[in-house]
Amino acid sequence: EAGVAQSPRYKIIEKRQSVAFWCNPISGHATLYWYQQILGQGPKLLIQFQNNGVVDDSQLPKDRFSAERLKGVDSTLKIQPAKLEDSAVYLCASSSPTGGTSGANVLTFGAGSRLTVL
Amino acid sequence: AQSVTQPDIHITVSEGASLELRCNYSYGATPYLFWYVQSPGQGLQLLLKYFSGDTLVQGIKGFEAEFKRSQSSFNLRKPSVHWSDAAEYFCAVAITSGTYKYIFGTGTRLKVLA
Repeated sequence: EAGVAQSPRYKIIEKRQSVAFWCNPISGHATLYWYQQILGQGPKLLIQFQNNGVVDDSQLPKDRFSAERLKGVDSTLKIQPAKLEDSAVYLCASSSPTGGTSGANVLTFGAGSRLTVL
Repeated sequence: AQSVTQPDIHITVSEGASLELRCNYSYGATPYLFWYVQSPGQGLQLLLKYFSGDTLVQGIKGFEAEFKRSQSSFNLRKPSVHWSDAAEYFCAVAITSGTYKYIFGTGTRLKVLA
């Protein structure tokens, strides 16, 4: 099966500019996640979608970050205006709609989008 | 609060030597546990997972991990490291919070000496 697709792979912008990242999850995966991974740290959840509804966006800086998942498939994460501290890798992950007997699902990650804010 | 701790930021081993990466978690119930590996410029790839049953789980690339409830640990091991194992390793837990919430540790960067 095709993996999680993300674009662009790399983006360099000036502070206060805007940027958008795109993610196409594995076909049939209802749950989609956006993580922020700052250099030297583990991934931090920004937002979680179940189909096209938001399940958790408690750590999303809503004054500058927004995300949408139209039609429950592709998703876009936008930052406007960007700050220096937004320099990070933005990882998209998806998981299947059911976890079988275990409940929890395995996350499948894309390669990530590396953002540098100057 | 729930958390995952990976005490070792960097580990260096010689090729062919054994490896153990430590992971401790803080959670009131039995969590679902994962180890992921991240090569430079890549996303995270699942190495292995523990959901229930046998506390020693086998993964890909010759890795294994043991769940020890009494120590709240899920350490990753490999008997003989290969140069290609050089990467960053993340331990993660999935906890129930309405839906499943995944918490990652800060990672351990493995360097392999030839």
